[in-house]
Amino acid sequence: SQQGEEDPQALSIQEGENATMNCSYKTSINNLQWYRQNSGRGLVHLILIRSNEREKHSGRLRVTLDTSKKSSSLLITASRAADTASYFCATDAIEYGNKLVFGAGTILRVKS
Amino acid sequence: DAGITQSPRHKVTETGTPVTLRCHQTENHRYMYWYRQDPGHGLRLIHYSYGVKDTDKGEVSDGYSVSRSKTEDFLLTLESATSSQTSVYFCAISLGGGPYGYTFGSGTRLTVV
Repeated sequence: SQQGEEDPQALSIQEGENATMNCSYKTSINNLQWYRQNSGRGLVHLILIRSNEREKHSGRLRVTLDTSKKSSSLLITASRAADTASYFCATDAIEYGNKLVFGAGTILRVKS
Repeated sequence: DAGITQSPRHKVTETGTPVTLRCHQTENHRYMYWYRQDPGHGLRLIHYSYGVKDTDKGEVSDGYSVSRSKTEDFLLTLESATSSQTSVYFCAISLGGGPYGYTFGSGTRLTVV
């Protein structure tokens, strides 16, 4: 069973626009992480937000966490063609032991 | 990816044969994980290790075994490969498990014919 589910499954935008991806999860978490995967490559860690944090920034990335709604969002501002990739959320929850559980991902395409 | 390598990168094997995939790290991280990635399923955990000779099952462990005799190496073995095990396999390492980010290898694309 999947702890995290991303929405939308796919997103296509123009270069320069903002991209927002959402993640919902089912159980209480210790932290939530976002990863990027370029085609044919491994996942790359982007950002980690702890359960007691509400917002975190890293460059053009902004992550929010709402533990009352069990949801998180990843915002990429001023998108570039190089941002084209799949994005995954992953949750660290007590119920699942000391290991991350990944969602199915959002495919982002940025058109130039 | 720096500090973690997977081998082989690609493999084609026949149904019923044993296959071993290797993950090697130079980061001295305690935790190592094997995931498989299939369309529509994201990443699913097969097995993981929290130290030398300490391993445990993940969500989809049937048909797989692992071994970790050294900190730097984590082996995944398909005891008798089946077509349902055709997938992309990723190894990941972590300093301390869930509270830390994972570093992933580049993956092994396995095809069972």
